[in-house]
Amino acid sequence: AQSVTQLDSQVPVFEEAPVELRCNYSSSVSVYLFWYVQYPNQGLQLLLKYLSGSTLVESINGFEAEFNKSQTSFHLRKPSVHISDTAEYFCAVSLYTNAGKSTFGDGTTLTVKP
Amino acid sequence: DVKVTQSSRYLVKRTGEKVFLECVQDMDHENMFWYRQDPGLGLRLIYFSYDVKMKEKGDIPEGYSVSREKKERFSLILESTSTNQTSMYLCASSLLAGYEQYFGPGTRLTVT
Repeated sequence: AQSVTQLDSQVPVFEEAPVELRCNYSSSVSVYLFWYVQYPNQGLQLLLKYLSGSTLVESINGFEAEFNKSQTSFHLRKPSVHISDTAEYFCAVSLYTNAGKSTFGDGTTLTVKP
Repeated sequence: DVKVTQSSRYLVKRTGEKVFLECVQDMDHENMFWYRQDPGLGLRLIYFSYDVKMKEKGDIPEGYSVSREKKERFSLILESTSTNQTSMYLCASSLLAGYEQYFGPGTRLTVT
């Protein structure tokens, strides 16, 4: 079975600073990887995904994540954050062959301060 | 855009009452899911369905049941609520096995 560990439960940063949210996974087979974002009182929204191909994936709002197979990591980065990036972020992994299930990390709360 | 809707945003129930939570998706997705979300515990899968009338238990199915009579609709049933079922319930759907999931806005259930 696969598992996901988000290494930081809370990440406070100042506006315009860079940020990295860390995610490690364990699996003995190939995986799909995802980052989701949840704003207060809303459901989760897909931020970006890795299915295959280039190991560096980007979102439309400046986030990027790099799939590192040797380190089994999929860290999320942004070079300059905004107040509006304040939210909870979830890393998720699914196997090619597990009938559609994903395993989610416990979440990282990103708080951007002015 | 995929839209996933849930029947209620907020519910307050008394211990022992029966609760139906309905979820509807409009993109002909095969897979549908029910999760509960609790602070510090992330998302935990209750049940999922990969086809009409098909269901599989997730990680925490105890105290819950589900129904999927039509492809677009997936219901979560709490037969007799207890206070430890107070939580945020999230429904999701996905087109293909293992691909990204699309979430509804959630139902915050409080059991008193």
